[in-house]
Amino acid sequence: QSALTQPASVSGSPGQSISISCTGTSSDIGSYNYVSWYQQHPGKAPKLMISDVSNRPSGVSNRFSGSKSGNTASLTISGLQAEDEADYYCNSYTSSTSLVFGGGTKLTVL
Amino acid sequence: QVQLQESGPGLVKPSQTLSLTCSVAGGSINRGGYYWSWIRQHPGKGLEWIGYIYHSGTTYYNAPLQSRVTITVDTSKNQFSLRLSSVTAADTAVYYCARDQGDGYGSFDYWGQGTLVTVSS
Repeated sequence: QSALTQPASVSGSPGQSISISCTGTSSDIGSYNYVSWYQQHPGKAPKLMISDVSNRPSGVSNRFSGSKSGNTASLTISGLQAEDEADYYCNSYTSSTSLVFGGGTKLTVL
Repeated sequence: QVQLQESGPGLVKPSQTLSLTCSVAGGSINRGGYYWSWIRQHPGKGLEWIGYIYHSGTTYYNAPLQSRVTITVDTSKNQFSLRLSSVTAADTAVYYCARDQGDGYGSFDYWGQGTLVTVSS
């Protein structure tokens, strides 16, 4: 099972909106609404930001939203803030009764 | 508030077996609906799912690691454990334990702080 494809880096200025894509196949993202997104600051454990494509856990800012179209899922962050600078990872359930992560995207707030 | 804490040796020799334990506080492993997972992160790299276990003992492993991985659960101690055999330098990573809140579909809501395991002679 190959890793999901994410851009290596994205950037944006404070207040702007950015989106991070996560591309898989018909065996994972395309077949299941089980995509999650994680935020990871340096030296810290990942934090769940979005589950099941678009569900936001309690306590996560509503500036974070998720969506999916075909084999590609997306995380959108609106009203970018300095504290959003981090690495972001997606993952998906797969037809092999397995889980696969994306390679990660480094978000830089300019 | 659920808390997870990894423990185990930080240094393992090549060809030996890596053993880690995750202690869970603030919630019972025996409660259904959750899968208890191991995930690793190679230095400077992305996340890799290793596998998970249900309180009943049912396990699922990542195929590339399946021949070397064993995950077990001890409900009496509210712990679950990872064993990875025949390790090489490529197994050097930060190992996280985590709780999958979504019946095994990959939404990990609680994580341990992670523990670095180095494979070296």
